[in-house]
Amino acid sequence: DAKTTQPNSMESNEEEPVHLPCNHSTISGTDYIHWYRQLPSQGPEYVIHGLTSNVNNRMASLAIAEDRKSSTLILHRATLRDAAVYYCILRRGSQGNLIFGKGTKLSVKP
Amino acid sequence: DTAVSQTPKYLVTQMGNDKSIKCEQNLGHDTMYWYKQDSKKFLKIMFSYNNKELIINETVPNRFSPKSPDKAHLNLHINSLELGDSAVYFCASSQQTVTTEAFFGQGTRLTVV
Repeated sequence: DAKTTQPNSMESNEEEPVHLPCNHSTISGTDYIHWYRQLPSQGPEYVIHGLTSNVNNRMASLAIAEDRKSSTLILHRATLRDAAVYYCILRRGSQGNLIFGKGTKLSVKP
Repeated sequence: DTAVSQTPKYLVTQMGNDKSIKCEQNLGHDTMYWYKQDSKKFLKIMFSYNNKELIINETVPNRFSPKSPDKAHLNLHINSLELGDSAVYFCASSQQTVTTEAFFGQGTRLTVV
């Protein structure tokens, strides 16, 4: 499974944008980039995914580098409820299993 | 309606016992999974299963076995429980395609004493 690298932790102020980076230099052409997050004491929840083009949904935006070796999850206005561990995952080919790394623990300050 | 539900939410049991955790999904998905999250918060896939194939993570002891009575259920049976089995276990489901999202249950916190 292709590996992703994320910072262990990041901090943000409430109502400010947050950019969560992810490196995936060994990504293959069939890998989709998925982001999940895990709020305290809850199961992981889907945030967004993409292949090549940037993606937007009600939760976040995903910016994918042109060479696809990195991506950035953008939370446009962080809220206290966005404090969680964010996982960047490459979901591959026919099998599509989600293999979690260590993720980035995001803290949001009021 | 809860998309993926697990029971029980908490489970405390003694070493050597056999226990089961149940998982049900009402999303019509064709693939279900079990994950283990240890005390260091690392999420590790244990099994993925659809009506065609069971894929087992090779590091999972054979004391753990998934059982699927039908497409909507994937239960986890654990024999001869050990202290190191204490963790939070998450069930998940998705369509078997990389372009869709997976849904996770709320987890079962297993404590072996």
